Amino acid sequence: DTEVTQTPKHLVMGMTNKKSLKCEQHMGHRAMYWYKQKAKKPPELMFVYSYEKLSINESVPSRFSPECPNSSLLNLHLHALQPEDSALYLCASSQEITSYGYTFGSGTRLTVV
Amino acid sequence: EDQVTQSPEALRLQEGESSSLNCSYTVSGLRGLFWYRQDPGKGPEFLFTLYSAGEEKEKERLKATLTKKESFLHITAPKPEDSATYLCASWGAGGTSYGKLTFGQGTILTVHP
Repeated sequence: DTEVTQTPKHLVMGMTNKKSLKCEQHMGHRAMYWYKQKAKKPPELMFVYSYEKLSINESVPSRFSPECPNSSLLNLHLHALQPEDSALYLCASSQEITSYGYTFGSGTRLTVV
Repeated sequence: EDQVTQSPEALRLQEGESSSLNCSYTVSGLRGLFWYRQDPGKGPEFLFTLYSAGEEKEKERLKATLTKKESFLHITAPKPEDSATYLCASWGAGGTSYGKLTFGQGTILTVHP
């Protein structure tokens, strides 16, 4: 299995809702990442987990809360989002944080209404 | 701060018309230069990693090259299915670059039949 699987593929949520994005990989990778991508822009790093511990937080607002319950799973909990948070949320993984090259998932298209 | 600049922003080609995409970088201690292809609404798909100046890699109609200041993605005899956004990203050894990819803005390639 050489894939990063993200669910759901599409999500519409209200500004008062709580929802979670899920990311799973079974490649034995120990580094996992969340990126945010707005239309016609490159991906922007949000969080990096290494060996299930948060390694990098790119000053992301607290309404985004990451969680890494085990080495295969990465979640992004969403609460009280704003319409400007609407974007494609991408998960990626690599063998180690110092490894070259990521494998990206197909993303979750999030719309905040 | 690491910077990656891609040109042109958009490129329209006729089927069979070869061309090149450029990626200029200013990176503290480059550890790797990556090329990804991204189709609309999907996650980036890994194409190549280049590690040192002079290195070249090929895959079907694509060939990536690296110098000390820039990378080129050469597309030979493109087909309509090569239409996508091509993203260049750097991986640096500098403190603030550790564990991150720095993406360029991308080149939107359209190949007309």
